[in-house]
Amino acid sequence: QKEVEQNSGPLSVPEGAIASLNCTYSDRGSQSFFWYRQYSGKSPELIMSIYSNGDKEDGRFTAQLNKASQYVSLLIRDSQPSDSATYLCAPNYGQNFVFGPGTRLSVLP
Amino acid sequence: DTGVSQDPRHKITKRGQNVTFRCDPISEHNRLYWYRQTLGQGPEFLTYFQNEAQLEKSRLLSDRFSAERPKGSFSTLEIQRTEQGDSAMYLCASNPEGPEAFFGQGTRLTVV
Repeated sequence: QKEVEQNSGPLSVPEGAIASLNCTYSDRGSQSFFWYRQYSGKSPELIMSIYSNGDKEDGRFTAQLNKASQYVSLLIRDSQPSDSATYLCAPNYGQNFVFGPGTRLSVLP
Repeated sequence: DTGVSQDPRHKITKRGQNVTFRCDPISEHNRLYWYRQTLGQGPEFLTYFQNEAQLEKSRLLSDRFSAERPKGSFSTLEIQRTEQGDSAMYLCASNPEGPEAFFGQGTRLTVV
């Protein structure tokens, strides 16, 4: 059973703060890790991918991966109200993906 | 817009009817996935194609569900004898040889 766990939230942060989203996964064979953003009623949108241990930065987003701990996180700096959405963690297994339940983020103006 | 197109966007059907959804992936993408998502949950994997070959099916995909991808281009997902529990968003995603998948806008199915 391949499991992905995320806090369902809601995670509320004030505008301009750092939002920290966490994810743990059970399959040690996962090699690729993805973060998707999903606005209410819309489909998931890929925002970050990470393949190696450590940090990967892209604009206001930083993904962090620790394969030994089976842990991946997403930091959003200078959070904006437009970042309010559900964030889905998706490790791969083989050619497929397993999605977590998502963390709902609310950025308060 | 990712370039993955799904049709229809919304479908309301009566219990017991058959429905068919279509997905047109990005043209150079070999892999195509179908997922189902219910409110408050992450997408659940249904099935996966590499070109025209259906390589993996979830246990969630009962005998009432069938998917095809003729000629490795568009794909269809059919649900026979729909049940109220089939009400969900059905998502299609595609990717090239690399691992990053791109989703279509989804088809929201409501079974009444």
